[in-house]
Amino acid sequence: GAVVSQHPSWVICKSGTSVKIECRSLDFQATTMFWYRQFPKQSLMLMATSNEGSKATYEQGVEKDKFLINHASLTLSTLTVTSAHPEDSSFYICSARVGQRGTYEQYFGPGTRLTVT
Amino acid sequence: QKEVEQNSGPLSVPEGAIASLNCTYSDRVSQSFFWYRQYSGKSPELIMSIYSNGDKEDGRFTAQLNKASQYVSLLIRDSQPSDSATYLCAVTNTGFQKLVFGTGTRLLVSP
Repeated sequence: GAVVSQHPSWVICKSGTSVKIECRSLDFQATTMFWYRQFPKQSLMLMATSNEGSKATYEQGVEKDKFLINHASLTLSTLTVTSAHPEDSSFYICSARVGQRGTYEQYFGPGTRLTVT
Repeated sequence: QKEVEQNSGPLSVPEGAIASLNCTYSDRVSQSFFWYRQYSGKSPELIMSIYSNGDKEDGRFTAQLNKASQYVSLLIRDSQPSDSATYLCAVTNTGFQKLVFGTGTRLLVSP
């Protein structure tokens, strides 16, 4: 399967600071990537869909000014959590879509665990 | 009605047995179906994708799709303790705007 990497794998930051998470497709080009958040013992929650060269599409209830997404190239999407607060502490996972229409697949990165103190 | 429904479990099976995981979906235009495995504290891992009615086998895994009944299942043969994880069913339409996930079924395989 396709390989998606994320960096960093974990990060601790102070309340009020910003954190950037990188998501890379290593062996394929991804025109579409997705960002999810998962709290302990809860389901995956889609935050936004990131399309290369265009603005991200955010799910209802996700603050686009707080969670900045940039998909500047076919292999890199970034998520910046701005002015982070303890309630933003979570497991952030990106994924990338690969394949052709009708037989797409979606592969996940290993995730980034964010702790805001 | 939830869009993708799964029994939360846990589903407990002894080592060597067949584990059967089930999923139903509500959107009739769904075209692509996936099973992901997620270990605790890790991200989901794609283990099976299926796009047409019938069975698809890959090693110990078999996915079964019945679009008329809006039902997709995953069979795991010769279950191993290492198969213990949460299994997520996901569906999407042809355009693959986004995946819709079920809440997952927790599988426990006892030695």
